[in-house]
Amino acid sequence: AQSVTQPDIHITVSEGASLELRCNYSYGATPYLFWYVQSPGQGLQLLLKYFSGDTLVQGIKGFEAEFKRSQSSFNLRKPSVHWSDAAEYFCAVGPPLSTDKLIFGTGTRLQVFP
Amino acid sequence: EPEVTQTPSHQVTQMGQEVILRCVPISNHLYFYWYRQILGQKVEFLVSFYNNEISEKSEIFDDQFSVERPDGSNFTLKIRSTKLEDSAMYFCASRADRGEEKLFFGSGTQLSVL
Repeated sequence: AQSVTQPDIHITVSEGASLELRCNYSYGATPYLFWYVQSPGQGLQLLLKYFSGDTLVQGIKGFEAEFKRSQSSFNLRKPSVHWSDAAEYFCAVGPPLSTDKLIFGTGTRLQVFP
Repeated sequence: EPEVTQTPSHQVTQMGQEVILRCVPISNHLYFYWYRQILGQKVEFLVSFYNNEISEKSEIFDDQFSVERPDGSNFTLKIRSTKLEDSAMYFCASRADRGEEKLFFGSGTQLSVL
């Protein structure tokens, strides 16, 4: 069955610390992979995506993610977290060649302490 | 950046009542979607809509649900007879065309069925 797992429901980090949010997926073929962020009262905003090619992808707001086929993972990273990064982060997968019918993980809530 | 607009932000209704959730996608977009997120659960795909017809729907999207693009700018989700389990955050999304992978999400409508 197709699924996305985000094992960390809630993560707390200090401002300036590094961050890694985990995402594992189960899919028949290599899917399209996405990270979205949702700030309070806002919609889901695309941080970055992976379709093919270089397995390390850069996104907005200083985020990056690495696709590891052998581990079926697409972890999100940021070297130095800012207080404004506090939000809910969602990993999602979609069928190859389409972004229709995305499958989302349950999300990871990030809290940032000054 | 262009935005998808959803109204209202919060709607309360009685069980058994009809409810219409409204969305204004980005003006030149061609593909439209509804997703929902029950509290504490994953964001789930409901339906995709293109060229004035449903292109795909999930098992959740039963006969109680319908979508419409009545006037070329609005995109609505109707729930004919709401149930308690329909309580969720409903997200509208749009995409420019087949070759554009980026989905733009609205900020959601929180539906509470009492």
